[in-house]
Amino acid sequence: QVQLQESGPGLVKPSQTLSLTCTVSGASINSGSHYWSWIRQPAGKGLECIGRIYSSGRTNYNPSLKSRVTISIDASRSQFSLQLSSVTAADTAVYYCASSGYDFWSGYYDYWGQGTLVTVSS
Amino acid sequence: EIVMTQSPVTLSVSLGERVTLSCRASQSVSSNLAWYQQKPGQAPRLLIYGASTRATGFPDRFSGSGSGTEFTLTVSSLQSEDFAVYYCQQYNNWLHTFGQGTNLEIK
Repeated sequence: QVQLQESGPGLVKPSQTLSLTCTVSGASINSGSHYWSWIRQPAGKGLECIGRIYSSGRTNYNPSLKSRVTISIDASRSQFSLQLSSVTAADTAVYYCASSGYDFWSGYYDYWGQGTLVTVSS
Repeated sequence: EIVMTQSPVTLSVSLGERVTLSCRASQSVSSNLAWYQQKPGQAPRLLIYGASTRATGFPDRFSGSGSGTEFTLTVSSLQSEDFAVYYCQQYNNWLHTFGQGTNLEIK
């Protein structure tokens, strides 16, 4: 059973960089079987994919966020991370890490972290 | 970007009723369509994948159908634990995209 746990600051100032880490257990982060993803959800709104990373380090980003997003992986710690720069109040949301299969037909998100609320405010 | 449109936005139903939720894609996603259930304060939970395969832990009163651009999620007899928000998601193309959700509430 794959388990994911987000961690990071719950409050970030405008114009600064949001940094979150997801710790993976129950699966090898570099097994090659999964994509590791970040998804966010503003309060009362829907879900938005931010980006994903494969064990090789290959990434896919949401084009609308691409200029501000970096996702990285640290297999030695079984973690992957999100950095979102130049944040504004519009980036306030619950941030989830999640896993999906490597093959395109298994791109559904079968495991999720519990989510962490990040508020952008001065 | 593939736009996913769900209808209705809100559905008020009674216990024991049969309900059908709809999801439409702006272009074909084949059968690469998932449904999620989300309860307040919780992460979404995978319910259906491959348009019609039920995920582990969900009873057979939940069923999914469709392919291409039109999909449905049916709950045959609503139980109290089924009241939640349901999202569809396409994974045929990156960027994976979600519908805006259907809120299933008690009448």
